[in-house]
Amino acid sequence: AQSVTQLDSHVSVSEGTPVLLRCNYSSSYSPSLFWYVQHPNKGLQLLLKYTSAATLVKGINGFEAEFKKSETSFHLTKPSAHMSDAAEYFCVVSDQGGKLIFGQGTELSVKP
Amino acid sequence: DAGITQSPRHKVTETGTPVTLRCHQTENHRYMYWYRQDPGHGLRLIHYSYGVKDTDKGEVSDGYSVSRSKTEDFLLTLESATSSQTSVYFCAISFTGTGEKDFHEQYFGPGTRLTVT
Repeated sequence: AQSVTQLDSHVSVSEGTPVLLRCNYSSSYSPSLFWYVQHPNKGLQLLLKYTSAATLVKGINGFEAEFKKSETSFHLTKPSAHMSDAAEYFCVVSDQGGKLIFGQGTELSVKP
Repeated sequence: DAGITQSPRHKVTETGTPVTLRCHQTENHRYMYWYRQDPGHGLRLIHYSYGVKDTDKGEVSDGYSVSRSKTEDFLLTLESATSSQTSVYFCAISFTGTGEKDFHEQYFGPGTRLTVT
């Protein structure tokens, strides 16, 4: 069975400093992995996806994630945080039938 | 924008009353999903549909039913609402692609905030 664990429920950074949101997954086959972002009182927006092509995936708004099979990780990074990045971020794995399994979410706060 | 709307956007109802939430899409996608979002749980799948009149249960389907009589509409019904069903409900669609994993990517509607008192 597939599962995903987001290692931090809350991350706080200062504007202009790097962002690291950690995600580990469990899958019995080669998974598809996603990061979604949800701004307050909004729907979910797809940030980026990994589907077995390049292991380093670039997404919108300067975010990247690297698929590391040996570590079963898919951490999300950004070199320099912006105030507008404050939101909740979800790491997601798909099962073989196409259904998505969500992590619990990481709330990112950005201090001026 | 995947052309997904949800109605109503907000609803307050009393315990024991029936409630129907509607998801409407404009782009003829085959796959549609209903999720609920609760603090500390991320999103959890309630039901999904893979075509007109074709639906199946998700992780948290108890107390919910769905119907899909036409491609563009996917209805979620709470037959007798309970306070534990207070939540934010999201509809999603995925594209029908030719690649093996194309249909795994999902796009979400704006959500419906339901409060059961």
